[in-house]
Amino acid sequence: DSGVTQTPKHLITATGQRVTLRCSPRSGDLSVYWYQQSLDQGLQFLIQYYNGEERAKGNILERFSAQQFPDLHSELNLSSLELGDSALYFCASTGRGLAQPLNTGELFFGEGSRLTVL
Amino acid sequence: GENVEQHPSTLSVQEGDSAVIKCTYSDSASNYFPWYKQELGKGPQLIIDIRSNVGEKKDQRIAVTLNKTAKHFSLHITETQPEDSAVYFCAARAYGQNFVFGPGTRLSVLP
Repeated sequence: DSGVTQTPKHLITATGQRVTLRCSPRSGDLSVYWYQQSLDQGLQFLIQYYNGEERAKGNILERFSAQQFPDLHSELNLSSLELGDSALYFCASTGRGLAQPLNTGELFFGEGSRLTVL
Repeated sequence: GENVEQHPSTLSVQEGDSAVIKCTYSDSASNYFPWYKQELGKGPQLIIDIRSNVGEKKDQRIAVTLNKTAKHFSLHITETQPEDSAVYFCAARAYGQNFVFGPGTRLSVLP
């Protein structure tokens, strides 16, 4: 158990809809990362938050947004869903005890949220 | 920016044989190289890592080697077992930067 919790584990929805994926990082971790993994693909970095602030952006579509709340949990919002958005979405956390977002720690991944868009 | 290549994309070995997965990176500032194992339906889990001041690291049946000059690092699994079957990802990270992952290697250990 990595200590990173993601909900829901599975989600099936229709094109055009909006969904929210939730992540609770390991206790004390300040940084949260979101990754997308399409079928048989690698891990595509979407976005990183550190202590409530956006830290880095990767290949995140404009239809997607994220935020990190004061209690450090994070949500990834996906809107106007398309068939191609079907994928596993992983949250990872790091940064326990770090005062700066230096990305020096090991990444701990959650079990992922599997999104299916029909 | 950093680019990480990984080979092979798929690898099948007989149980008990060794498996080797190789990665190359482009950014000479990268100094941390972890390997993650992703079992079916699960999130990636760190299995071993190496920092740039070390050339080799071993943990039981798993070892990682790093060649900074050539900018490549490799994962070695000896005496493979069926439970080693998974997708393996390498990654590289420079200090203060984000991780860049390789595309992954699907390892199948045949009984």
